Formats: sequence, C-alpha cells, structure tokens
Amino acid sequence: AQSVTQPDIHITVSEGASLELRCNYSYGATPYLFWYVQSPGQGLQLLLKYFSGDTLVQGIKGFEAEFKRSQSSFNLRKPSVHWSDAAEYFCAVGDSWGKLQFGAGTQVVVTP
Amino acid sequence: DTGVSQDPRHKITKRGQNVTFRCDPISEHNRLYWYRQTLGQGPEFLTYFQNEAQLEKSRLLSDRFSAERPKGSFSTLEIQRTEQGDSAMYLCAVTKSGGTDNYGYTFGSGTRLTVV
Repeated sequence: AQSVTQPDIHITVSEGASLELRCNYSYGATPYLFWYVQSPGQGLQLLLKYFSGDTLVQGIKGFEAEFKRSQSSFNLRKPSVHWSDAAEYFCAVGDSWGKLQFGAGTQVVVTP
Repeated sequence: DTGVSQDPRHKITKRGQNVTFRCDPISEHNRLYWYRQTLGQGPEFLTYFQNEAQLEKSRLLSDRFSAERPKGSFSTLEIQRTEQGDSAMYLCAVTKSGGTDNYGYTFGSGTRLTVV
C-alpha cells in the first residue's frame, strides 16, 4: 500500500530565508509524486510533479523538489521565502489510476 | 476560477439529515475524483469515476455515502443520515487520463460540511 509521511507538522521561517519541506513515501512501483499548496479558504494548487527523468523538478512560484529513490524522499525547497508562501503544503503519491495518497501536511508560517 | 465548480461552498446540517453536494467541471474531463479533508489532515480518497462508471470506492465510503456521475460530466455526492464525524471539506478533482496530461489534476474549492 502506498503511504506518505511529512515529518514536520509546522515550520516557521523568516522572510527571505530558505525553506525545505520533507516528504517520505512508500510505494511498490515507480512513484508519481506531487507537491500541492493550500492557502486558507482556497483549493489545492499543484506546485510541481515528478513522473520520471530528471530527479530535480522545477515548479511554480520558485519551488523545486528533488526525487531521491534511495531515500524514498521527495523534498520541496525554495531558496528565498516570501510572506505569500505562508500556507499548508501537501506531498502526495499517485498510482496508475490517478488516485492520490496525501501526507498530513506541513503548515508554513513566514515571519517578517 | 479553478475550472471545477463545487456547490454549495458551505453546508450546515443537523445530525441525521441527508445532504447532497455537486461538482461541475467546466470542460470535459473523463476522470473525476472525490476526496475528503478533515482539519489538520491531508485529503483522503473517497471514490472516482471514469466517464460515468464508478471504478473504485474507498473503505472510508460507508453505505451512507453514494456518488453518481450520470452523464459523465457533473457528479453528485450524497450523504444519508449525517453524523458529526462527517464534518469535513469535500473536494472534487478532475483530470484527463492518458498521455502526458495523465495527472493534470484540477481541484475545486470544496464544500465544507458541518454537522451539528
């Protein structure tokens, strides 16, 4: 069975500092991996996705993620955080039918 | 506008009542998914449709839950005899199967259900 673990429930980061959100997955085959962001009262927005190929994936809003098969990880990074990046971030793994298994999420707070 | 309209945005109902939610994709998508998200958790898969056929239902979907997609476009999710534990955000998502767009998921903004 597939599963996703986001070890950090809550992260506080200063504006302009770098951000890294951790994601570990468990999946029997080649995983389809995703990062979504959800702002209060908003729907889920796709930041980036990995299917195959280059293990460093670029997404929207300056985010990138690196797939490391040996560590079963797909961590999300941003070099310099903006106040508008405050939100909840979800990592997800998908199966061949498009069904997604989400992690519990990481709440990001950005301080001035 | 996310490309997926969900109605209503909010629903407050008394325990034991039935509720129905609707999901309307703006354009054609052959796959439609329902997820449920409770506070502090990620969305959990409930069920999905390929066109009008319901192909999978999660064990989370008790007998009180039923979903339909009669013409392969909009979908409804009904909960009968609501319980307080049904309080959650119900999210609809659509995608087109096949090819590089296989995971072009578009989520609606959701329907927030509160059972009192």
